[in-house]
Amino acid sequence: LAKTTQPISMDSYEGQEVNITCSHNNIATNDYITWYQQFPSQGPRFIIQGYKTKVTNEVASLFIPADRKSSTLSLPRVSLSDTAVYYCLVGDPMDSNYQLIWGAGTKLIIKP
Amino acid sequence: GAVVSQHPSWVICKSGTSVKIECRSLDFQATTMFWYRQFPKQSLMLMATSNEGSKATYEQGVEKDKFLINHASLTLSTLTVTSAHPEDSSFYICSGVGAGGRVTDTQYFGPGTRLTVL
Repeated sequence: LAKTTQPISMDSYEGQEVNITCSHNNIATNDYITWYQQFPSQGPRFIIQGYKTKVTNEVASLFIPADRKSSTLSLPRVSLSDTAVYYCLVGDPMDSNYQLIWGAGTKLIIKP
Repeated sequence: GAVVSQHPSWVICKSGTSVKIECRSLDFQATTMFWYRQFPKQSLMLMATSNEGSKATYEQGVEKDKFLINHASLTLSTLTVTSAHPEDSSFYICSGVGAGGRVTDTQYFGPGTRLTVL
């Protein structure tokens, strides 16, 4: 399983764009990159998933460079409610252990 | 998106008693369900993988006789913490993966159950 490295914490302000980068140097050919959000005392919530280049949905964008050794979750115009822990997971969806190893995540704090 | 519920959302029990936590997929059939444990300010730790109609697969270090898992249907999995002790106090979270075999299947998580053992 590819190991991921994320910053432990980040601060930003309301209305700003926030970019959280995840390093996954030993990502395998069949691996996808998935990001989850978790609020205190709640289960994680799926944000976005991608394989290469750029993926965008209604809440975020995911940028993946050509070598796929890192990825960046981009949250546009954050609000206070985006304060949460964000997890980056890498794995092969067809692997029985897909997405089961969770790193420490990035604690994002949004200030007014 | 797919919805997973857990019941109860929180429970307090005395040491030595057993507690059952239910995990239900409300709008999809979960062929596989996962049970996690999360201690304060820590990440999720996988406890076991549960496939409908078969025995659960436990992670190393998780006592299968203490944490009983049953996945009797495609929409329900239960975790029973037997003879609970204060060190079992934690946040227990389940997730489900739907049938269909899509390459980009993701896990859908329940809201979690806070267990406090006195």
